[in-house]
Amino acid sequence: KAGVTQTPRYLIKTRGQQVTLSCSPISGHRSVSWYQQTPGQGLQFLFEYFSETQRNKGNFPGRFSGRQFSNSRSEMNVSTLELGDSALYLCASSTFREGSTEAFFGQGTRLTVV
Amino acid sequence: GENVEQHPSTLSVQEGDSAVIKCTYSDSASNYFPWYKQELGKGPQLIIDIRSNVGEKKDQRIAVTLNKTAKHFSLHITETQPEDSAVYFCAPGDSNYQLIWGAGTKLIIKP
Repeated sequence: KAGVTQTPRYLIKTRGQQVTLSCSPISGHRSVSWYQQTPGQGLQFLFEYFSETQRNKGNFPGRFSGRQFSNSRSEMNVSTLELGDSALYLCASSTFREGSTEAFFGQGTRLTVV
Repeated sequence: GENVEQHPSTLSVQEGDSAVIKCTYSDSASNYFPWYKQELGKGPQLIIDIRSNVGEKKDQRIAVTLNKTAKHFSLHITETQPEDSAVYFCAPGDSNYQLIWGAGTKLIIKP
């Protein structure tokens, strides 16, 4: 069974630009969550999508948005990039079926804003 | 909202010794208590979890203990090995399975 796939693995963008990151969950997983990870800040929850609907949202500005497609693949978009957006962005998928709550993470996309 | 704290932030132990990481939380509605391990260059991976109706759970060298009254749970690793070096996260969850992540504990195993 293929794991969670995130593309691209690395990105370098300039301040003011926008970026789109992609996440393909494990087959059959309908929940996809996005996290921002920076040194010293741990994992900060961005949002969660379940069956194409945003179910939960963290405390991030509106520049951060996401969506989920009917095949459960998800994208997150960051507009008007700032230097502070440089981070590792992680995607996790879950089934939330039969009490299963394990989150399976991808390897992440390393975003550098210059 | 839920407030989660992990201690210590860094833990250095001699190979073969035990390591204990503690996680405190504030939301009494939390009923799911997992621990994740993140190795360099990888995403976090679930290593053990416990639900609120159980006080302790073991899986080989790893155990998790829960004290719901005091609102804390701990990760115990015995007979530590070099491959245990990683960052460990607690992430207590509520009935909606919304996980709130701790800041992480860097575990260093000294040879």
